[in-house]
Amino acid sequence: DSGVTQTPKHLITATGQRVTLRCSPRSGDLSVYWYQQSLDQGLQFLIQYYNGEERAKGNILERFSAQQFPDLHSELNLSSLELGDSALYFCASSTGVRGGGDTQYFGPGTRLTVL
Amino acid sequence: AQKVTQAQTEISVVEKEDVTLDCVYETRDTTYYLFWYKQPPSGELVFLIRRNSFDEQNEISGRYSWNFQKSTSSFNFTITASQVVDSAVYFCALSARAGNNRKLIWGLGTSLAVNP
Repeated sequence: DSGVTQTPKHLITATGQRVTLRCSPRSGDLSVYWYQQSLDQGLQFLIQYYNGEERAKGNILERFSAQQFPDLHSELNLSSLELGDSALYFCASSTGVRGGGDTQYFGPGTRLTVL
Repeated sequence: AQKVTQAQTEISVVEKEDVTLDCVYETRDTTYYLFWYKQPPSGELVFLIRRNSFDEQNEISGRYSWNFQKSTSSFNFTITASQVVDSAVYFCALSARAGNNRKLIWGLGTSLAVNP
């Protein structure tokens, strides 16, 4: 158990809908990362937050947004869902030490199925 | 360019065989970090090891060992006496500078099947 929690574990929804994925980092970790893993594209970095502020952005679509709250939990919002958004979404956390290179610990993932 | 290459897409071995998973990286950063993660069929990503660019000592943890060679930009992972529970996708990753930030760059993974 990495100490990172994600809810829900599974989510099935329809095209055009909006969903929210939730992540709680390990105790003491200030950085949260979101990744998308689909069969055809591997593991794609979406976005990173550090202590409530956006720190880095990856291949995140405009239909997707995220935030990190004062208690450090994070939410990833996916809207206007398309079939191609079906994937495993991971949250990871790290201490966020300056200079980077710290280990990211991953949550169990949320499997999103868009029908 | 910063890149991680895991040339072996799939490997299949019989239990008790030793197996080595290759990882080759590219970076111009002088301070970087290398990682291995395991993704078993259940789907979670499990951290295995982190190594910084200044520490070329090989590491052994039980049946797992890692060989870091800066001269060949490789960070290979060996499982000794493989077991069925080792069946998983293994990812190698590189943390290197990209502008003002440090980015984690992932290989595409090697799927290991250990057959009884």
